[in-house]
Amino acid sequence: NAGVIQTPRHKVTGKGQEATLWCEPISGHSAVFWYRQTIVQGLEFLTYFRNQAPIDDSGMPKERFSAQMPNQSHSTLKIQSTQPQDSAVYLCASSQTSNTGQLYFGEGSKLTVL
Amino acid sequence: QQQVRQSPQSLTVWEGETAILNCSYENSAFDYFPWYQQFPGEGPALLISILSVSDKKEDGRFTIFFNKREKKLSLHIADSQPGDSATYFCAASSSSGSWQLIFGSGTQLTVMP
Repeated sequence: NAGVIQTPRHKVTGKGQEATLWCEPISGHSAVFWYRQTIVQGLEFLTYFRNQAPIDDSGMPKERFSAQMPNQSHSTLKIQSTQPQDSAVYLCASSQTSNTGQLYFGEGSKLTVL
Repeated sequence: QQQVRQSPQSLTVWEGETAILNCSYENSAFDYFPWYQQFPGEGPALLISILSVSDKKEDGRFTIFFNKREKKLSLHIADSQPGDSATYFCAASSSSGSWQLIFGSGTQLTVMP
């Protein structure tokens, strides 16, 4: 039973480049969440989808960040014109329904912006 | 504004002792409180959780004590083992909101053999 799969595990970009992170939720899970983790800010909520529809993106920086869920088997987080302060571990999680705190997290994608 | 606070930031105990991790929150609408355990290089994993209608939840060596009036909860890890060394996050969410999980800043636990 595969867990949440995130790719790539590590990504290094130059300042101003674009970064796209992928997430494959657990099969059958209807909710997908994106979090960002840094030493300073801890775990920050970014956005979530339920049945592929965007429900809450209140944590997403209004510029440069976007997330999509084109089908039930994957979601993407895209960061345009990356900045050094975007360096973080981006975590994707899924749950069977959104009305539960039982999130299953992937191992994360570590983004480093030089 | 930090809605979920954890203390201490780091904690060291000896093998066999009980580790106590503290958490407090501000939003009275929070009614679900999971604790997540995270090892280096991994994502957080759900350890144990409690609903606000309960004041205690046990699962093996792990126990949550919850005080709704004071908006405080604690995680007790009995008979701590070196394998319990990890970072522990308290989180909270509201069934009346978007079910967004708000995480505390974490407690890094080290269990010395």
